[in-house]
Amino acid sequence: QKEVEQDPGPLSVPEGAIVSLNCTYSNSAFQYFMWYRQYSRKGPELLMYTYSSGNKEDGRFTAQVDKSSKYISLFIRDSQPSDSATYLCAMSAEGNQGAQKLVFGQGTRLTINP
Amino acid sequence: KAGVTQTPRYLIKTRGQQVTLSCSPISGHRSVSWYQQTPGQGLQFLFEYFSETQRNKGNFPGRFSGRQFSNSRSEMNVSTLELGDSALYLCASSLRTGYGYTFGSGTRLTVV
Repeated sequence: QKEVEQDPGPLSVPEGAIVSLNCTYSNSAFQYFMWYRQYSRKGPELLMYTYSSGNKEDGRFTAQVDKSSKYISLFIRDSQPSDSATYLCAMSAEGNQGAQKLVFGQGTRLTINP
Repeated sequence: KAGVTQTPRYLIKTRGQQVTLSCSPISGHRSVSWYQQTPGQGLQFLFEYFSETQRNKGNFPGRFSGRQFSNSRSEMNVSTLELGDSALYLCASSLRTGYGYTFGSGTRLTVV
């Protein structure tokens, strides 16, 4: 079983819809939770970053972390065609000497239809 | 502000050869990590460097190695290339622990 599970999709929604993306994880040591967006032929771009549990909002994006359920979510409001990309969740625990290793989900391919 | 720069963008190598990839982190970032991305395995951690010291290493064979220089620039080397090493190799830098990582656009390596 993978440490981080993410539905690969594909997910296709109409423009303006609310999109919900989710990941589950098994390692209770994870403290840092991130969402990345990756366009074709590009590197991942950091969208949201959360430490421990709680919600974080940035414009049309909201990230939620529920450590008790080992479940994280990303919501995109008023989705736009430019949001079409692969979305990756990533998480890490803090190791010795501050070392960090990101563990990624498989990524969800999202298409927003005009 | 310049982002993470990786060179070259594309590489084609033959089985058995070795390759060196380069990464220049964002100015001031001292932590540099490398990841391998393939369609089947997704993004997998290779290693992390901080102030020229390897702090963490992923589950890759010893053919994969790296180093970091005093100016935080980093290189990774793959020796005795295999077909399965074909992938997008991504470098990421971070100011310090507790901050998100910024990725470069990657080097796409094809082994034939």
